[in-house]
Amino acid sequence: DGGITQSPKYLFRKEGQNVTLSCEQNLNHDAMYWYRQDPGQGLRLIYYSQIVNDFQKGDIAEGYSVSREKKESFPLTVTSAQKNPTAFYLCASKRTGTTETQYFGPGTRLLVL
Amino acid sequence: GDSVTQMEGPVTLSEEAFLTINCTYTATGYPSLFWYVQYPGEGLQLLLKATKADDKGSNKGFEATYRKETTSFHLEKGSVQVSDSAVYFCALSVKGDSNYQLIWGAGTKLIIKP
Repeated sequence: DGGITQSPKYLFRKEGQNVTLSCEQNLNHDAMYWYRQDPGQGLRLIYYSQIVNDFQKGDIAEGYSVSREKKESFPLTVTSAQKNPTAFYLCASKRTGTTETQYFGPGTRLLVL
Repeated sequence: GDSVTQMEGPVTLSEEAFLTINCTYTATGYPSLFWYVQYPGEGLQLLLKATKADDKGSNKGFEATYRKETTSFHLEKGSVQVSDSAVYFCALSVKGDSNYQLIWGAGTKLIIKP
């Protein structure tokens, strides 16, 4: 089955620690996205990538970093510079250059110890 | 700039009631419009979409019509079920520098009581 997988489902971060959230897709999509969702709020764009080895900052990129070494993979690192990382993180993908649908993974919930 | 405004939740209804969740937008040009649904603890799923004025998107008994004159895309369902309890997001697609981005509403939580 084609789709997007995110792991882990829950992730705990200690103070001063960097953590990496995984996102993999087998839909052959060029574009991938990372969103942050806080309780009772909509989605805010962190980073997006339209093609391998290229990515752009979204609205709330500070304290986060990404890489896009493979078409299928778009990992997100939450760095120690992100002072309020507790949230639900969603990865999405779609074909580039069109208004076609974004497909979402199941999400990762990050909690700070 | 481009934006989406949804009615605030939570919206609480009894089973078999009629549902309307309002969504209005501000955008230049002719955006595509989407409704996504998020069940508890899960990611988002596309519910329906419309790509041009007067188009009607429909899925699983839900409908929404792209109204350019009122810049609206209200979600409706004639008879809701407990299983429809979820958060519903309205979104529009706009073309940025080189790709299309989604602009999201804040979401509306729907609670259906048996």
